[in-house]
Amino acid sequence: EPEVTQTPSHQVTQMGQEVILRCVPISNHLYFYWYRQILGQKVEFLVSFYNNEISEKSEIFDDQFSVERPDGSNFTLKIRSTKLEDSAMYFCASTLDRGGNTIYFGEGSWLTVV
Amino acid sequence: GEDVEQSLFLSVREGDSSVINCTYTDSSSTYLYWYKQEPGAGLQLLTYIFSNMDMKQDQRLTVLLNKKDKHLSLRIADTQTGDSAIYFCAESGATNKLIFGTGTLLAVQP
Repeated sequence: EPEVTQTPSHQVTQMGQEVILRCVPISNHLYFYWYRQILGQKVEFLVSFYNNEISEKSEIFDDQFSVERPDGSNFTLKIRSTKLEDSAMYFCASTLDRGGNTIYFGEGSWLTVV
Repeated sequence: GEDVEQSLFLSVREGDSSVINCTYTDSSSTYLYWYKQEPGAGLQLLTYIFSNMDMKQDQRLTVLLNKKDKHLSLRIADTQTGDSAIYFCAESGATNKLIFGTGTLLAVQP
């Protein structure tokens, strides 16, 4: 079964450092997402991306965050200057089309900011 | 705003049926999903239902949707210890943005 893959699985970073989380969506999918889950809390939407631009973002996704699809396969989330409260599991997801369909998630990248 | 609520905890005995409930507020939901999360792992898509359906069965899983009451349930028949996990209900509208519930921790006692 096709899957969304994410790297790294776990990263520890110092406050103020830049972090890039990487995702390889399912190959024929066109819509890409980042979500996060702070320990013990709900999974929250961050951003959706289609046709090389952001289509929707939440209020969490402030100027410290950016996304990019640098080539035909990778989809990255960059946090410019990490804060303690950015510690969370970050999930990448992808789907084939806009009409709903099935949305597949990766295994997640666990980010710890110290 | 949109909200999805679930009960936090359910305990069942192995072999019994489990029923996990979810309520949502967005009447324009297009799809409703159930995801499973095992400890330290990602979100595994279990099943989904389109909003114009009222039931979907997939092996041991049965999803019931009451659109009038905005109530969704997941029934797991013959629950096994391997079914122990957190189960998330989620809904999406036209933009595919998922709104997740709080998650229900299912504990299966041998």
